[in-house]
Amino acid sequence: EPEVTQTPSHQVTQMGQEVILRCVPISNHLYFYWYRQILGQKVEFLVSFYNNEISEKSEIFDDQFSVERPDGSNFTLKIRSTKLEDSAMYFCASSEEGQVAQHFGDGTRLSIL
Amino acid sequence: SQQGEEDPQALSIQEGENATMNCSYKTSINNLQWYRQNSGRGLVHLILIRSNEREKHSGRLRVTLDTSKKSSSLLITASRAADTASYFCAFRPGTASKLTFGTGTRLQVTL
Repeated sequence: EPEVTQTPSHQVTQMGQEVILRCVPISNHLYFYWYRQILGQKVEFLVSFYNNEISEKSEIFDDQFSVERPDGSNFTLKIRSTKLEDSAMYFCASSEEGQVAQHFGDGTRLSIL
Repeated sequence: SQQGEEDPQALSIQEGENATMNCSYKTSINNLQWYRQNSGRGLVHLILIRSNEREKHSGRLRVTLDTSKKSSSLLITASRAADTASYFCAFRPGTASKLTFGTGTRLQVTL
């Protein structure tokens, strides 16, 4: 069964550094998402992406965050200057359409030191 | 707040028993979904119920939706140790494509 893959599984970065999290969505999906989950808390929506542009974003997704689909397969989340509070699991998801089930990757654990 | 609330926060049962988890939300929704998350892993989609449906089954899972009460329940019948995980409801507020997740129920199934 096709799945969403994320790399790396664990990223350790110094505060203030830039980090790029990578995702390969399911190939025939058109909608892409990033969510995050701070340890022990619930999953929070960051951004959705459709037709090569952001379709929706949360208040968490400020100017330090950006997303890109650089080619036909990858979907990336960049954090420009990381803060301690960015430490979390970051999940990528994709869906065929905007109103159906989303399929999640196993996440990238981001640790900011 | 549009977030979902789930109860119980934690549930411990023995293998073979049924587990029921409840979810409440505050906005109008298009559909409601349930996801499972094993420790340290991603979210696995279990079942989706549309706002015009009242009940849906999938294997040992039964989901109900009461839009007048803005609540949903997930029933896992004949539970197994492998069902041990956190379970989250998630819904789409209005026409949004994003999912808003509930606070989750940690289910422990013991032998």
